[in-house]
Amino acid sequence: DGGITQSPKYLFRKEGQNVTLSCEQNLNHDAMYWYRQDPGQGLRLIYYSQIVNDFQKGDIAEGYSVSREKKESFPLTVTSAQKNPTAFYLCASSSTRKAHEQYFGPGTRLTVT
Amino acid sequence: KQEVTQIPAALSVPEGENLVLNCSFTDSAIYNLQWFRQDPGKGLTSLLLIQSSQREQTSGRLNASLDKSSGRSTLYIAASQPGDSATYLCVGAGNNRKLIWGLGTSLAVNP
Repeated sequence: DGGITQSPKYLFRKEGQNVTLSCEQNLNHDAMYWYRQDPGQGLRLIYYSQIVNDFQKGDIAEGYSVSREKKESFPLTVTSAQKNPTAFYLCASSSTRKAHEQYFGPGTRLTVT
Repeated sequence: KQEVTQIPAALSVPEGENLVLNCSFTDSAIYNLQWFRQDPGKGLTSLLLIQSSQREQTSGRLNASLDKSSGRSTLYIAASQPGDSATYLCVGAGNNRKLIWGLGTSLAVNP
């Protein structure tokens, strides 16, 4: 089955620690995205990548970092510099021709205490 | 600047009722509009996508319409079922392909 997987589903970390969220897709999509979802706010774009070894900041990139070494993988690191890291994180992918038609993973709930 | 608003924020209906979820957007230069479903703590599932040249799309009991002139889209759910309970998100894509998300309507269908 083609799709996007995110792991883990739930993640707990202490304040001050970096944490990496995994996102893998086997849809052969060139573009991948990371969003953050908070109660009372729409999805906000953190980073996106349109091709391997290239990525761009989204609207709220501060305190986050990404890499795109493989087409299938787009891990997101939440660094200690992110002031409010507790949130639900969603990964998505799309073809570059249809960037507006994105397919989403199941999400990772990160809790930092 | 494109903004997407969804009304109501929450809706509770008895099973079997037909219902309408509303989405409005401020910029009529919209490339497409999409409706997603999100179950609690889960990812997003695409329901219907309407291109700017289209007026509506249908899938089973769901029908989504798009009226660019009035800046509105509606999602119509016929004969609602408890399994329809979820949050429904509306998202508009501008001509730059950037997605602008609404905050969603939380739907509860009561048996």
